[in-house]
Amino acid sequence: DQQVKQNSPSLSVQEGRISILNCDYTNSMFDYFLWYKKYPAEGPTFLISISSIKDKNEDGRFTVFLNKSAKHLSLHIVPSQPGDSAVYFCAAGNSGGYQKVTFGTGTKLQVIP
Amino acid sequence: DTEVTQTPKHLVMGMTNKKSLKCEQHMGHRAMYWYKQKAKKPPELMFVYSYEKLSINESVPSRFSPECPNSSLLNLHLHALQPEDSALYLCASSQGPLAGGLRTNEQFFGPGTRLTVL
Repeated sequence: DQQVKQNSPSLSVQEGRISILNCDYTNSMFDYFLWYKKYPAEGPTFLISISSIKDKNEDGRFTVFLNKSAKHLSLHIVPSQPGDSAVYFCAAGNSGGYQKVTFGTGTKLQVIP
Repeated sequence: DTEVTQTPKHLVMGMTNKKSLKCEQHMGHRAMYWYKQKAKKPPELMFVYSYEKLSINESVPSRFSPECPNSSLLNLHLHALQPEDSALYLCASSQGPLAGGLRTNEQFFGPGTRLTVL
């Protein structure tokens, strides 16, 4: 049972435009969410997180939006740069649990120069 | 130091071999993790150590044996592996148990060990 889903396996965006990556979850016990970026042959790199008491968190070019009623979150990258080309994973966890984080299936973003 | 290091980068082993993967962090983190990642799949949690004690074992076969000698080090001992165990093995660390509210469990990952079992 995939509790965290990223329904778009891939996404292509022109440089300078907005990239929007989506993530859906089913477990209502999740109360925090994270986005990671992963280049081939490297470990995931933490990008940005959000607690369920917020609906938006912004860090530079990256903004995460959380819609709890829809069990949906999205990552916006503005403006997109070629160096952003990577696989993006969303992840979710419960702060009352034992630090377990469940990863989504990933979206491969390609930013075209 | 905000880095998680893993050795070796690559490992090729036979099904009868015994080998170990090593992970180290010096960020003062009290939780450490082992993940397994197959191609085009998300990282899959194997073990969590919290304050050097095993807190989560995700029903991992006993041919994988974790060890946390101290708060900075995490090992994964491998014995009698199968070819299907070939994967990227990732280590991660985070601050530790959460108090809820605004806390989120940012995990910092190492570069991984690419394991091939022949």
